[in-house]
Amino acid sequence: NAGVTQTPKFRVLKTGQSMTLLCAQDMNHEYMYWYRQDPGMGLRLIHYSVGEGTTAKGEVPDGYNVSRLKKQNFLLGLESAAPSQTSVYFCASTGPKETQYFGPGTRLLVL
Amino acid sequence: GQQLNQSPQSMFIQEGEDVSMNCTSSSIFNTWLWYKQDPGEGPVLLIALYKAGELTSNGRLTAQFGITRKDSFLNISASIPSDVGIYFCAGQENAGGTSYGKLTFGQGTILTVHP
Repeated sequence: NAGVTQTPKFRVLKTGQSMTLLCAQDMNHEYMYWYRQDPGMGLRLIHYSVGEGTTAKGEVPDGYNVSRLKKQNFLLGLESAAPSQTSVYFCASTGPKETQYFGPGTRLLVL
Repeated sequence: GQQLNQSPQSMFIQEGEDVSMNCTSSSIFNTWLWYKQDPGEGPVLLIALYKAGELTSNGRLTAQFGITRKDSFLNISASIPSDVGIYFCAGQENAGGTSYGKLTFGQGTILTVHP
C-alpha cells in the first residue's frame, strides 16, 4: 500500500512549455485534489475530483487543467507554463471521515 | 472566499518548552484538522476535530475545536527537536454534502526547536 504517489518529484520548465503531473492513489478513494503551496500562503486548491470522469475548479484554477480518467489517477496539466506557476504541487485523496492524505509533492520551477 | 488566519507565523523555542498556536476563521467549519509538514514532504495529519468544543490529544499534542466553530488551537507539550516543521490548520465546511471534503488552509506556523 503506497498511499498517494506523485511523479515527477522535480521539474524545470521554460516559459511556454507544457507538462503533466501525475497523482496516483491505491486506497480506492473517490475524492482527489490538487493543491499548490507557495511561501507564506499555505496550500491552495487548484482543482478537485469527486469521482472517475468528473472534475471541478478550486480556488486557483487558471492556467491548469485536470483529468480523472481512472479512479486511481488524477492528472494536472499545464498547457503553457508561466513563472507564476513556480510552486510545490501536492496531490491528496480523501479517506475515512473525509480526512485527506497527501502525496510527497512535485517541485516545479518555471524559468 | 474563506480565509483562515493562523498565528504565530513562526516560533523559536528551547527543547522542553510548550508550544501553542491557533487558527481563526471568518466563517464556520464543521471539521478542523491540524497537519505537520516536514521539509520536502507532504502534510501529515496530526489531529482531526469533528465537534464544537471537542478536545483531543495525540501523545504530546492537544487540539481543541472552538465552541463558535470559527477557531481551533494546537498545543505541543515538552517539545523535542523532531517537532521542527511547519504546522498547518485546515477547516472543512461539511463532513458530507456538497463540499466534497475541500479544505481551507491556514498560512502555517514554522516551528524551530533549539536543543
